[in-house]
Amino acid sequence: EVQLLESGGGLVQPGGSLRLSCAASGFIFNNYAMAWVRQAPGKGLEWVSVIIADGSRTPYAASVKGRFTISRDNSKNTLYLQMNSLRAEDTAVYYCAKERTNEGHFDSWGQGTLVTVSS
Amino acid sequence: DIQMTQSPSTLSASVGDRVTITCRASQTINNWLAWYQQKPGKAPNLLIYKASSLESGVPSRFSGSGSGTDFTLTISSLQPGDFATYYCQQYDSYPLTFGGGTKVE
Repeated sequence: EVQLLESGGGLVQPGGSLRLSCAASGFIFNNYAMAWVRQAPGKGLEWVSVIIADGSRTPYAASVKGRFTISRDNSKNTLYLQMNSLRAEDTAVYYCAKERTNEGHFDSWGQGTLVTVSS
Repeated sequence: DIQMTQSPSTLSASVGDRVTITCRASQTINNWLAWYQQKPGKAPNLLIYKASSLESGVPSRFSGSGSGTDFTLTISSLQPGDFATYYCQQYDSYPLTFGGGTKVE
């Protein structure tokens, strides 16, 4: 059974940094692209970034490009999202998601971790 | 960026109803479209991929159709557990984009 467990969320001041982690199990982690998708309170889904299986390609949404960095450690089956220069509009539940067949849609999601950016 | 427009934003229906949700892309996406169901406080759940392929384990009352820029999700007979919000998502090109969602109430 695929399991994705996010951690690292919390309250941070504007301009601050936070690193999210997603521990994966139940599948061959280094065979799949992984992504972060976020959802602001009461709003819809927003794709943040994806990292392909070998880590060589990492596209970002324009709203986070230059501030967020996605990475993975295939030896630890873990996905990361380093978030710098955080803004109030980054407040959201951040989901880790596994691509179904490396095509850009997601067949498994974590439970999400809440990031709140506020002074 | 490819914009995804869903309609309606809210849909009132009853158990047993046939429900149809539409999703329009701002440019052709070559059937690279997925549909998700999300219940309050939960992560999204993949229903349909490649516009019309049913994800394993998803009930057959869910179906997807369409091509080019116009797509639909149909629930043939609405069940109590289907009251949720539904999202379409294109994966033809980056940035990946979602529709604004349709709440079925």
